Amino acid sequence: GNSVTQMEGPVTLSEEAFLTINCTYTATGYPSLFWYVQYPGEGLQLLLKATKADDKGSNKGFEATYRKETTSFHLEKGSVQVSDSAVYFCALRIGQAGTALIFGKGTTLSVSS
Amino acid sequence: NAGVTQTPKFQVLKTGQSMTLQCAQDMNHEYMSWYRQDPGMGLRLIHYSVGAGITDQGEVPNGYNVSRSTTEDFPLRLLSAAPSQTSVYFCASTPASGSYEQYFGPGTRLTVT
Repeated sequence: GNSVTQMEGPVTLSEEAFLTINCTYTATGYPSLFWYVQYPGEGLQLLLKATKADDKGSNKGFEATYRKETTSFHLEKGSVQVSDSAVYFCALRIGQAGTALIFGKGTTLSVSS
Repeated sequence: NAGVTQTPKFQVLKTGQSMTLQCAQDMNHEYMSWYRQDPGMGLRLIHYSVGAGITDQGEVPNGYNVSRSTTEDFPLRLLSAAPSQTSVYFCASTPASGSYEQYFGPGTRLTVT
């Protein structure tokens, strides 16, 4: 079946540190891949996406590259800020009409100044 | 546009009670979905709809009913609440073309005692 595996959290970093959150997937066919972010007390927001192999999604200094050969979509940021503290979810898209998402369990990031 | 709205924000039920979680979107999106979010579990798909009059089950549909009589509304019904349904519920909508980005509502926090 289809599934997403994320690294366990929490991840605790100092401001300006480098961030990597690992994400690997299992899927039939060629899914689209997403990273969503959830700030405390809020719903999920799309952070970035990639729809085919070797695509790189980027937004707000975050990047992730769709690696078909390793079935991975790792999230990276070169210099994190306190405001990046949130829960990050990796997801893939399935469904007849491309509507449903399968999520990983989420990784909590805490950045201190 | 209000985007995706959910009511209520918080709800406490006793075991066996029924209730309906409301979800509405004003973006004319064809696709709508319901997820539940539990600690350490990420988001899991309950039911989804690809258009008015069409619904289908997701990963964890038991104990929940949905209907889609209009494009705008996608209510989620709990027929007989159980403590295992204590969770945060998110509704999402997606356009049928273009980026297929999912837009999430702010969530409903439900406690069943």
